[in-house]
Amino acid sequence: QVQLVQSGADVKKPGSSVKVSCKTSGGAFSTYAINWVRQAPGQGLEWMGGLIPIFEKPDYAQKFQGRLTIIADESTSTAFMELNSLTSEDTAVYYCARGGSRYSGNYALFQWGQGTLVTVSS
Amino acid sequence: EIVLTQSPGTLSLSPGERATLSCRATETISSDSLAWYQQKPGQAPRLLIHRASNRATGIPDRFSASGSGTDFTLTISRLEPEDFAVYYCQQYGDSEFTFGPGTKVDIK
Repeated sequence: QVQLVQSGADVKKPGSSVKVSCKTSGGAFSTYAINWVRQAPGQGLEWMGGLIPIFEKPDYAQKFQGRLTIIADESTSTAFMELNSLTSEDTAVYYCARGGSRYSGNYALFQWGQGTLVTVSS
Repeated sequence: EIVLTQSPGTLSLSPGERATLSCRATETISSDSLAWYQQKPGQAPRLLIHRASNRATGIPDRFSASGSGTDFTLTISRLEPEDFAVYYCQQYGDSEFTFGPGTKVDIK
């Protein structure tokens, strides 16, 4: 059974950066899409970007272009999301979610991590 | 960017009733790359439906979905107490995935 385990909650100052990790176990890693989705308090889901590790070329939502970096470490089956230039509007729960394999071409978000609360506050 | 709208915003129903949720896209979603998720308070979303009409593993058959192009529907045939939640549609046919704003199904 595939499990995604994320790093713990974090508190950051405005203008700083945050890096969240997502470790996958119980299934293949390199050929499956890993996506990042966030949810501000009381709000809906927002897709931020994704990556198929074997391709090493992430896609980012236009809103986050220039301050979001998604990478993957195949040796540890861990994906990372780094967001820069934080403001209070970045306060949210950040989820990683695993899509289908590159062979299926079905990139619905089949499994989700538990979420990581990032609070941006001075 | 493909924008998704969901209606209604809130659906107030009783257990045992039928729920019909709508999701509409601003342009055709390729390969029926439309998914539905359920989210309960304090929990991560859970995939219900992928490829517009395919139930994910372990999803009860009271959940069904249909649609293509720009108009999609999720139906819950008989609401169980555990089905009261927020439901999101999501398209993944474009390089930039997008979610709808959600439909909250609450107890009447």
